[in-house]
Amino acid sequence: GQNIDQPTEMTATEGAIVQINCTYQTSGFNGLFWYQQHAGEAPTFLSYNVLDGLEEKGRFSSFLSRSKGYSYLLLKELQMKDSASYLCAVIDSNYQLIWGAGTKLIIKP
Amino acid sequence: IAGITQAPTSQILAAGRRMTLRCTQDMRHNAMYWYRQDLGLGLRLIHYSNTAGTTGKGEVPDGYSVSRANTDDFPLTLASAVPSQTSVYFCASSERGSDTQYFGPGTRLTVL
Repeated sequence: GQNIDQPTEMTATEGAIVQINCTYQTSGFNGLFWYQQHAGEAPTFLSYNVLDGLEEKGRFSSFLSRSKGYSYLLLKELQMKDSASYLCAVIDSNYQLIWGAGTKLIIKP
Repeated sequence: IAGITQAPTSQILAAGRRMTLRCTQDMRHNAMYWYRQDLGLGLRLIHYSNTAGTTGKGEVPDGYSVSRANTDDFPLTLASAVPSQTSVYFCASSERGSDTQYFGPGTRLTVL
């Protein structure tokens, strides 16, 4: 079966750095997305990786290793507004998007 | 209209009633999707449409139907609602099937 694993919840301190991991076992791979979802709101696009390596976008970076079936989202200089759930999603061989359950990130002052 | 809109924002529905959730996008995206999101389970795909006139079943299609008469609209119908259909429903669209998906604000549905 297809599976995406993320930690259920993480806690970090304002101003610090946090890494949210995502491992996947899917039938094929055609790309990986990270989305942010604030409580009570819709998911919004953060990043897309299809090749191995690091993609940097401001305070957020996303890394992919296809050989290891692994990605992480790195958030730097954490702000209170970063408190949200972070969703990992993989495009499989049928070009269907498989979603992880999400990681709830709690930022403390 | 800018992006994707959904209606209603929330609804309380008696079991057995028929309900249609509306979704409209103005981005001229080819692909549209309906998801439900339940606590601890993440997003689950109900139905999708890769282009106007075509639809497909997702992971949890039972009890739901969709139509795609034109590019902009993708309504989701619950023919006879049951309490297990209590959830938050998100509509999304993308230019093509594997592109970035953009989500509507969601409909919170409670079936009693």
